[in-house]
Amino acid sequence: GAVVSQHPSWVICKSGTSVKIECRSLDFQATTMFWYRQFPKQSLMLMATSNEGSKATYEQGVEKDKFLINHASLTLSTLTVTSAHPEDSSFYICSARDMRLGSYNEQFFGPGTRLTVL
Amino acid sequence: QKEVEQDPGPLSVPEGAIVSLNCTYSNSAFQYFMWYRQYSRKGPELLMYTYSSGNKEDGRFTAQVDKSSKYISLFIRDSQPSDSATYLCAMSAAGGSYIPTFGRGTSLIVHP
Repeated sequence: GAVVSQHPSWVICKSGTSVKIECRSLDFQATTMFWYRQFPKQSLMLMATSNEGSKATYEQGVEKDKFLINHASLTLSTLTVTSAHPEDSSFYICSARDMRLGSYNEQFFGPGTRLTVL
Repeated sequence: QKEVEQDPGPLSVPEGAIVSLNCTYSNSAFQYFMWYRQYSRKGPELLMYTYSSGNKEDGRFTAQVDKSSKYISLFIRDSQPSDSATYLCAMSAAGGSYIPTFGRGTSLIVHP
């Protein structure tokens, strides 16, 4: 199957700083990437959908000025958590899909990034 | 009421048991049904994908969809300790961007 990587796999930062998480599709071109957030023993919560070369579409309740998403190429999307606070501590997972393949439902997930804000 | 309901468990079974995992949903527009497996601190991986009602088998895994009851199941035969993980159901409607709605996941523990 297709491979999606995330970097870093875990990060600890101080409150008030910004953190950037990268999501890369390694062996396919991702026309669409998704960013999720997952709390312990909870489901995946979709934060935003990004299409290559256009602005991300954020889900209701997600602050777009706080969670900056850039999808500048077909293989890379970044999520920047700006002015992070302890309540932003969570597991962030990206997924990618190539809409041109025709398998509209298969998303390939990255391994996730655990963010801890002190 | 959430669109997708899934019992979080944990579900603990002995090795070799048949495992039944289930989800119910309320949106009758859902037509695509997926099961993902997620190991601790890892991203989900797609296990099974089914369109509309019916059964689908892949090795030790069988997915069932009953749209009339809005109920889907994943069966695992001859369960192994390596099957211990969280299993998330997901479903999406046709049209639009096919973005799936996930259940909260069921934690499965298969003990030797």
